[in-house]
This record gives sequence, C-alpha cells and structure tokens, in this order.
Amino acid sequence: DTEVTQTPKHLVMGMTNKKSLKCEQHMGHRAMYWYKQKAKKPPELMFVYSYEKLSINESVPSRFSPECPNSSLLNLHLHALQPEDSALYLCASSQDSGVMNTEAFFGQGTRLTVV
Amino acid sequence: GENVGLHLPTLSVQEGDNSIINCAYSNSASDYFIWYKQESGKGPQFIIDIRSNMDKRQGQRVTVLLNKTVKHLSLQIAATQPGDSAVYFCAENNSGGYQKVTFGTGTKLQVIP
Repeated sequence: DTEVTQTPKHLVMGMTNKKSLKCEQHMGHRAMYWYKQKAKKPPELMFVYSYEKLSINESVPSRFSPECPNSSLLNLHLHALQPEDSALYLCASSQDSGVMNTEAFFGQGTRLTVV
Repeated sequence: GENVGLHLPTLSVQEGDNSIINCAYSNSASDYFIWYKQESGKGPQFIIDIRSNMDKRQGQRVTVLLNKTVKHLSLQIAATQPGDSAVYFCAENNSGGYQKVTFGTGTKLQVIP
C-alpha cells in the first residue's frame, strides 16, 4: 500500500464553520505533512509532524490547527477561515530517518472553498 | 530565504520528442532533490530523485542531472507522450533532522499529438 488517503475530496464551508480534513497512510512513515496549494502555484509547506510530534510550523495562522492522533493519521482542524484560505490542501508522508531524506508521497488533496 | 525556481513556465513539445525541464536552486546546503509530476486535480506524484553526491540518475524514460557548481537541476523525458502532459515541480530538501521539502515554481509541459 503506497497510498496517502485524504478525506473529504471537496469541502465548502462558511467563515463561521468548524471542519476537519483527514489524512491516512499505512506505509509506516513517521513523517507527515500538510501543504497548501493555490491555483497555478507550487505547494507551500504548512506543518511537519515527525514521530507524531509537531516539528515544523511555517508560521501558519491559528485558525489552522493540526493534530496527529497516531502514526497513521493526520488531521487539520479548520475554524473561522477566510475566503483567501480557499485552496487545495495536500497531505504527504515520508520515512523519517533524520539523516537521509526520502521522497514524500502525496494524497490527492482536499479542495477547500470558504464562502 | 532559499529559492527553488524554474526558468520556463510552459514547455510545448511534439509527441515523440525529448523534453528538458530546468530548475535553479539557491540553497547550497540542499543535498536532496526531487522531481514531481502533478496532473490536473491530483496531488504531486514522485518521478525521480537525486542526492548531492551524484550528478546523474536515470529512471524509466526519465533522467535527472544535477550541476552543483551552478546550482542547476534538469529533468529529461525521453520520447514524450501525451500522458506526460502535466505540471512538473522540482523540490529540494536538506538534511538536518527535519523533512522540509521546498517546491520550485513549476513548469507546465504540453505534449502536442
């Protein structure tokens, strides 16, 4: 199994809503990531979890709250988002040796629209 | 900050010809480079990678070249097919305990049948 599964595929939410994006992998990877991608732009790193601990937060606003309940799951909790937060949210995972990096496997993304 | 960028935003290639997609990076500490392919509506898909102790690596129909002197990376696709049409991103990572992959701006490859 070399898949990273993201749900939902599409999400429309109001600015006062609370929603969560979910990501799951069963490759035994210990590093998991959230990226944000706007149209015609490259993915931008938001968060990195390593061994279920948050290791990188790229100065992401607090209305985005990541959570890593276990080594296979990664969530992104959303609250009080703005229309400019509309984007494709990508989850990825990779082996984390801490010494030699390896490629990240990406999910298909959640297309988020904030209205 | 560090920047990984591409020279050409769009590349049109005749089917059957070879494609070359270029990428420049500025962080001399980067030691691991990856090429990703992203089709419309999908997540990035790993194509090939190369570490800084190598200058060339070949896969199936793809070759990555790394020139550390001028901080340049290229992806060569042999016998380009319509299914190769996508946006291609180079990405860099540097060892340091954390997996922080930084993407370049992307090149759209259009294959003309």
